[in-house]
Amino acid sequence: EAGVAQSPRYKIIEKRQSVAFWCNPISGHATLYWYQQILGQGPKLLIQFQNNGVVDDSQLPKDRFSAERLKGVDSTLKIQPAKLEDSAVYLCASSLRIAAKNIQYFGAGTRLSVL
Amino acid sequence: AQKITQTQPGMFVQEKEAVTLDCTYDTSDPSYGLFWYKQPSSGEMIFLIYQGSYDQQNATEGRYSLNFQKARKSANLVISASQLGDSAMYFCAMREGDGGSEKLVFGKGMKLTVNP
Repeated sequence: EAGVAQSPRYKIIEKRQSVAFWCNPISGHATLYWYQQILGQGPKLLIQFQNNGVVDDSQLPKDRFSAERLKGVDSTLKIQPAKLEDSAVYLCASSLRIAAKNIQYFGAGTRLSVL
Repeated sequence: AQKITQTQPGMFVQEKEAVTLDCTYDTSDPSYGLFWYKQPSSGEMIFLIYQGSYDQQNATEGRYSLNFQKARKSANLVISASQLGDSAMYFCAMREGDGGSEKLVFGKGMKLTVNP
C-alpha cells in the first residue's frame, strides 16, 4: 500500500515570495492533516480536513496561509507571502478512523527554507 | 501549560540493550490517546505504538511497549533489544477527545543514539 506522498521534498525561496506544497494521502483515508515542524520542536497542526471540509484550522495563520482539498483527495498548502519564520518542515498526514485509534500516517515532508 | 513533556533531550544506548524514553502528559479529558512516533533523519514520522486512555493493558508492538501509568500521567516507551536503526528522534503525542478535531499535540522529542 502506497504511503502519503508529498512534493517537493525541498524548497528554497526568498521572503515575500509564494510557495505551494502538495499532498496525496493514503487511498481511502478521509481525514487529511497539515502540520508545521519548526527545527527542534514537535509538529504543530495547521489544518485538518474531513473529506473536502475543514474540521480545524484554528492554528493556521490565515493572513498568509491557505489550504484546499478539492474532491476530498489531494491537498495543497500555500504560503503567500512567506516570512523568515515560516522556515520549517511541512508534514502531511492522513488517517482512517478505526474505533478510537485513528492512527495518523505521515509523509516525508517538505523542508522549506525562507531566505 | 505544556500538554506533553519529554525532558530527556538525548540518550545513548548500546546495541541490544533496552531503553526507556520518558513522556508525561497533562489533560483533564477522560478520553484520550497516546502515541509514539519515530523520526529518522529522512524526516518521515513513523507510527510506533498507541495507548488509549481506557485500555486496560499496556500496549505492545514487537520490540516496542508502552509503560502506561494513568495516575502518574506518564506513557513511557520501552524499546527492547536496541538496534542501530533505532537511532532517531522520538516524539510522544496525545489526542484528546473522541470526535471532531483529531489533532495530535506533540512533545519536543528526544534523540536516541544506539552505539555498536
